[in-house]
Amino acid sequence: NAGVTQTPKFQVLKTGQSMTLQCAQDMNHEYMSWYRQDPGMGLRLIHYSVGAGITDQGEVPNGYNVSRSTTEDFPLRLLSAAPSQTSVYFCASSYSTPSLADTYEQYFGPGTRLTVT
Amino acid sequence: KQEVTQIPAALSVPEGENLVLNCSFTDSAIYNLQWFRQDPGKGLTSLLLIQSSQREQTSGRLNASLDKSSGRSTLYIAASQPGDSATYLCAVKGVTSGSRLTFGEGTQLTVNP
Repeated sequence: NAGVTQTPKFQVLKTGQSMTLQCAQDMNHEYMSWYRQDPGMGLRLIHYSVGAGITDQGEVPNGYNVSRSTTEDFPLRLLSAAPSQTSVYFCASSYSTPSLADTYEQYFGPGTRLTVT
Repeated sequence: KQEVTQIPAALSVPEGENLVLNCSFTDSAIYNLQWFRQDPGKGLTSLLLIQSSQREQTSGRLNASLDKSSGRSTLYIAASQPGDSATYLCAVKGVTSGSRLTFGEGTQLTVNP
């Protein structure tokens, strides 16, 4: 298994540009999520999905869109990039059940380092 | 709102020393706690997952304990090696926080040869 993969590894954008960060997993995990990591702030949840066709907002969703058309893929779209979105973005996945009391280990991708100028 | 704190923020030890990293959380209503390792410029690697009903988990030289009632977890690393140098993060999955993991800011560990 490749696990959780993310592309690109690095990206530089100008303010106002849009782009999509790609995330894929080959473990047949229902649950997928996006986090951003900033110095002094730790990792914060942006959006998550509990299965194909189902997405929901996390702690810091503004400026980002997601969709989940397949179990394997969970892309993150920046609609109009801003310098405040300069960060390292991580995608994660895990098994999931309707009852979140059955919790599972989360697996993280290698990250995308994004700079917005 | 769940808050997770890790102390110390940085730690430097000589090779071979046993060490303890600390994690505390403010809301004891959790499903589980997970310890991760992050190498510079890399993603997060899961080390240990402790369910709320468990007291500890062990993997090789690593032992993680959980005291849910006091809101504390420790990660014990035995016989530290230079290859253990990394940032260690703890994260909790809270009962009231939906699917979200709440992370601490991490402890940056340096093991000197």
